[in-house]
Amino acid sequence: GEDVEQSLFLSVREGDSSVINCTYTDSSSTYLYWYKQEPGAGLQLLTYIFSNMDMKQDQRLTVLLNKKDKHLSLRIADTQTGDSAIYFCAESRFGGATNKLIFGTGTLLAVQP
Amino acid sequence: EADIYQTPRYLVIGTGKKITLECSQTMGHDKMYWYQQDPGMELHLIHYSYGVNSTEKGDLSSESTVSRIRTEHFPLTLESARPSHTSQYLCASSEGGRETQYFGPGTRLLVL
Repeated sequence: GEDVEQSLFLSVREGDSSVINCTYTDSSSTYLYWYKQEPGAGLQLLTYIFSNMDMKQDQRLTVLLNKKDKHLSLRIADTQTGDSAIYFCAESRFGGATNKLIFGTGTLLAVQP
Repeated sequence: EADIYQTPRYLVIGTGKKITLECSQTMGHDKMYWYQQDPGMELHLIHYSYGVNSTEKGDLSSESTVSRIRTEHFPLTLESARPSHTSQYLCASSEGGRETQYFGPGTRLLVL
């Protein structure tokens, strides 16, 4: 299929780890991204991973890429209430003469105090 | 941190009005994009531009039009707004040769 898929909701307790999963479709994607969208706001780039990497860590964020299964995950350690937001994964696809981002539906992360 | 701005942030307008959503970036990025995001839904690309005087349709058909007369400015125009145009419109830009896109805060449009 053409879609980038994510589960719609994830609920965790403050201090726990969150893992948000995403499956994508284009094996030739060069970059995969995670964006965060807080209520009423635009998208904030959180992190990205190049397709020849398996893992990337940036402070509390860890991105894991399984290229064989076309599976991307974002782990947030020590989740805080300020992490509550919608998280979008996106794959970069080459179309025409430029790369385009194809977004998933977004996962709403709810952090319980 | 990216410097990309959108105005207005919110717009409530009646059917049939002409509207222009502004997007500007101060990073000198060649590529700019417009996405449409319906409530609770994913983003869909509606327009993009490689540079000055270049505009292309995106994956989702849209009745809006865009122009790129200056590098930093990529306005989107609806000649006659309809309730079906109610949505959030997000502008983004990226540096030529690099894929990472930076987003503006978005414009929420409500057409009554």
